[in-house]
Amino acid sequence: GEDVEQSLFLSVREGDSSVINCTYTDSSSTYLYWYKQEPGAGLQLLTYIFSNMDMKQDQRLTVLLNKKDKHLSLRIADTQTGDSAIYFCAESSPMNRDDKIIFGKGTRLHILP
Amino acid sequence: DGGITQSPKYLFRKEGQNVTLSCEQNLNHDAMYWYRQDPGQGLRLIYYSQIVNDFQKGDIAEGYSVSREKKESFPLTVTSAQKNPTAFYLCASSPDRGTSLRYGYTFGSGTRLTVV
Repeated sequence: GEDVEQSLFLSVREGDSSVINCTYTDSSSTYLYWYKQEPGAGLQLLTYIFSNMDMKQDQRLTVLLNKKDKHLSLRIADTQTGDSAIYFCAESSPMNRDDKIIFGKGTRLHILP
Repeated sequence: DGGITQSPKYLFRKEGQNVTLSCEQNLNHDAMYWYRQDPGQGLRLIYYSQIVNDFQKGDIAEGYSVSREKKESFPLTVTSAQKNPTAFYLCASSPDRGTSLRYGYTFGSGTRLTVV
């Protein structure tokens, strides 16, 4: 089946930029998403990008999509302690059974003082 | 405000008991989903439903059951057949099939189930 891969941990110093990477296997992916999960909470949609876009920027967040390499990244500028969370990459495709969204296992972002 | 509500936030189950987790949404979404989250394993799909009175098994349905009698409600029962039920359970919903691809899923705040 289709797969979404991301590293499990990332440590970044406060004030630096964080870059969380993700790779996916489905070449027919339509939308790609980044979700944020704070401790003990549900997932919150941060941003999404349509597959015909290369980049999307929203305040401190920049999403880059390399469709050729099936690589998605999320850059958080000026990382703050409130950014400490698990970040999930996800993809949707009309080829996914019942239009389900496929999630990666999440990257835990740890902020160093 | 529209949203998706899970209750209770914490639930304790004795060995051999069935317990039911509640999930209610007032977003008028067609599809609803149940996920289980364990540390380092991401989200694993238990069951999903795209329409009232119909549901499908996900990747780890054994030991769980669901019902979808109303559009806004999708309760999950963790049965005694589930050997390792301690986990964080997340409910999600999405609009009709065409729209869900753009806006993704809306998640509830989760229920933490612990076997005592």
